[in-house]
Amino acid sequence: KNEVEQSPQNLTAQEGEFITINCSYSVGISALHWLQQHPGGGIVSLFMLSSGKKKHGRLIATINIQEKHSSLHITASHPRDSAVYICAVAGLDSNYQLIWGAGTKLIIKP
Amino acid sequence: KAGVTQTPRYLIKTRGQQVTLSCSPISGHRSVSWYQQTPGQGLQFLFEYFSETQRNKGNFPGRFSGRQFSNSRSEMNVSTLELGDSALYLCASSSGQAPYEQYFGPGTRLTVT
Repeated sequence: KNEVEQSPQNLTAQEGEFITINCSYSVGISALHWLQQHPGGGIVSLFMLSSGKKKHGRLIATINIQEKHSSLHITASHPRDSAVYICAVAGLDSNYQLIWGAGTKLIIKP
Repeated sequence: KAGVTQTPRYLIKTRGQQVTLSCSPISGHRSVSWYQQTPGQGLQFLFEYFSETQRNKGNFPGRFSGRQFSNSRSEMNVSTLELGDSALYLCASSSGQAPYEQYFGPGTRLTVT
């Protein structure tokens, strides 16, 4: 079993829909990261969080440390949100390395 | 602050050749990590350098090597290139200390023919 699991693997939705991507992990962490990668593009860090909730524009990230679970939400989704969203955790025992999820490929149709 | 820069952005090499990729981290950052991303695969960790020392290493063959200079710039070298080395190579810069937030460069797309 992977230490970081994301769901769903693929998600297709219509423009305007509310999107939720989930990340579950099995190790103790110091922080959890959400990143975005557009097709053919580099990776952009969206959020880093260790507790609670963060919001940036239409993006919201939440984390529940007790349940070892985080969600990334996109409100009023738009075709430009189409990308791969990756969850990564900084494990307490991982010697500074990030442990990566496999990513969720999101397609927003106009 | 300027972001992470990688050079070159695109590279075409033939099998058997060697290649060197460069990464300049954000000013003040002492850690540089390298990743390989191939179609259909997630990010595969290559290695991390912190203050000129390799601090972590992934499961790649010895053909993949790296180094870091005193100004924190890092280079990655791949010798005896194989077709399977065709990939997007990403470097990430961080302070090297908790909470290890990483800032990614745009990547170098290597094609081996």
